[in-house]
Amino acid sequence: KAGVTQTPRYLIKTRGQQVTLSCSPISGHRSVSWYQQTPGQGLQFLFEYFSETQRNKGNFPGRFSGRQFSNSRSEMNVSTLELGDSALYLCASSLGIITDTQYFGPGTRLTVL
Amino acid sequence: GENVEQHPSTLSVQEGDSAVIKCTYSDSASNYFPWYKQELGKRPQLIIDIRSNVGEKKDQRIAVTLNKTAKHFSLHITETQPEDSAVYFCAARTLIQGGKLIFGQGTELSVKP
Repeated sequence: KAGVTQTPRYLIKTRGQQVTLSCSPISGHRSVSWYQQTPGQGLQFLFEYFSETQRNKGNFPGRFSGRQFSNSRSEMNVSTLELGDSALYLCASSLGIITDTQYFGPGTRLTVL
Repeated sequence: GENVEQHPSTLSVQEGDSAVIKCTYSDSASNYFPWYKQELGKRPQLIIDIRSNVGEKKDQRIAVTLNKTAKHFSLHITETQPEDSAVYFCAARTLIQGGKLIFGQGTELSVKP
């Protein structure tokens, strides 16, 4: 099976703009989680979707949002970008929830200037 | 809130030595504990995981132990090799607020030949 894919892989934006990142899970996987990875903060949980419903949300401002489509593909959106949003955004998919293994995508490297 | 603490943040060993990374978690109801390895510029890859009904699990040179009473779990790598050099993340699935995966801050392991 093909692994988790993310597009785009690299993105450069300026402060105040918005951005949409996409994640395609492994075929058959219904759960998608998003994480922000920065050198100082490690992997921070953003949100988790299962069957088009947001199950969990991390401690991020409302500028961060996401959604999941009926084919399990997921998008996350960041509005009004700030310099501190520069990070690697990783998504991970799993068959279901709770104790199912999460498989990570390659990430989208977002740079905010 | 839910928290996973990981130590040490950096670890340097000689090739052939053993390496141990320790994590503690706060949610006593957590029941799933994966470990991920992330090489430079690559996605996190699951290397081993353990569920709360098991005290120890081994896979060749890698083992994980879980002490539910003390709420800590450890990764043990024996006969380390230079290709083991990477950042290792522990995580715990917290059942508070629906079961999100909380990651430790990471351990940068360097294996010197």
